Amino acid sequence: NAGVTQTPKFQVLKTGQSMTLQCAQDMNHNSMYWYRQDPGMGLRLIYYSASEGTTDKGEVPNGYNVSRLNKREFSLRLESAAPSQTSVYFCASNNREGNQPQHFGDGTRLSIL
Amino acid sequence: GDSVTQMEGPVTLSEEAFLTINCTYTATGYPSLFWYVQYPGEGLQLLLKATKADDKGSNKGFEATYRKETTSFHLEKGSVQVSDSAVYFCALSVRQGAQKLVFGQGTRLTINP
Repeated sequence: NAGVTQTPKFQVLKTGQSMTLQCAQDMNHNSMYWYRQDPGMGLRLIYYSASEGTTDKGEVPNGYNVSRLNKREFSLRLESAAPSQTSVYFCASNNREGNQPQHFGDGTRLSIL
Repeated sequence: GDSVTQMEGPVTLSEEAFLTINCTYTATGYPSLFWYVQYPGEGLQLLLKATKADDKGSNKGFEATYRKETTSFHLEKGSVQVSDSAVYFCALSVRQGAQKLVFGQGTRLTINP
C-alpha cells in the first residue's frame, strides 16, 4: 500500500532553472495539497486541489504553478527557481467529506543554488 | 487570519517522564484540531484529532483536549519512550470546501534512555 508517492526525493537546481515535482496517491482521495516546510515555520500551504479539475491558491503560491492531471496525480512546477524556494516539499491527500485526515508523502528536499 | 502557536523547542526528556507540549490557536470559525508527528526522514502522520469543544483525542498513549475557553489543544503523555523522539506539529482546519491545514512551527522532542 504505497499511499502518497513523491518524486524525486532530492534535487539540486541552479537559480533560473525549472522543474516539476510529481505526486501520486493510490487511495482514491478527491483532494490533494502541496506544502513547503521551512525551519521554524512549520508547513505552509502552497496550492490545493479540492477535486479533480480544480486548483486554488494557498498561503504561499507565488513562484509556483500546479496541475491536477487526474484524480491520482497532482504536480507542482517551479518555472524559474529562486534560492528562496529552497525547502522540503510535501504532498498530501484526503477525502474532504467527513473532515478526514490528510495523508502525507515522504517529501522532496529541494536546494536552489 | 487563522494561526497556531506551539511551545518552542527543542524539548529533551528522560525516558518515562511526563510530556506536555502546549498549543494555542486563533480561528474565525469553529476549527478542527490535530496533532501530527514527523519521524526523521518521513512525512507527517496524524497522531490524534478533535473536531469540537471538549472532545478528547487519544492515540498511542498521547492525549489532547479541545478547550474552546482557552483556545488550546495541549499534547500530553504520561510516560514517554525513546521511540517518541520526533517533531510534533499542532494544526487546525476551518472547513471551507477542502481541508486547508494551518500548522504551528513544530516542536522537536528528544527522549534520552
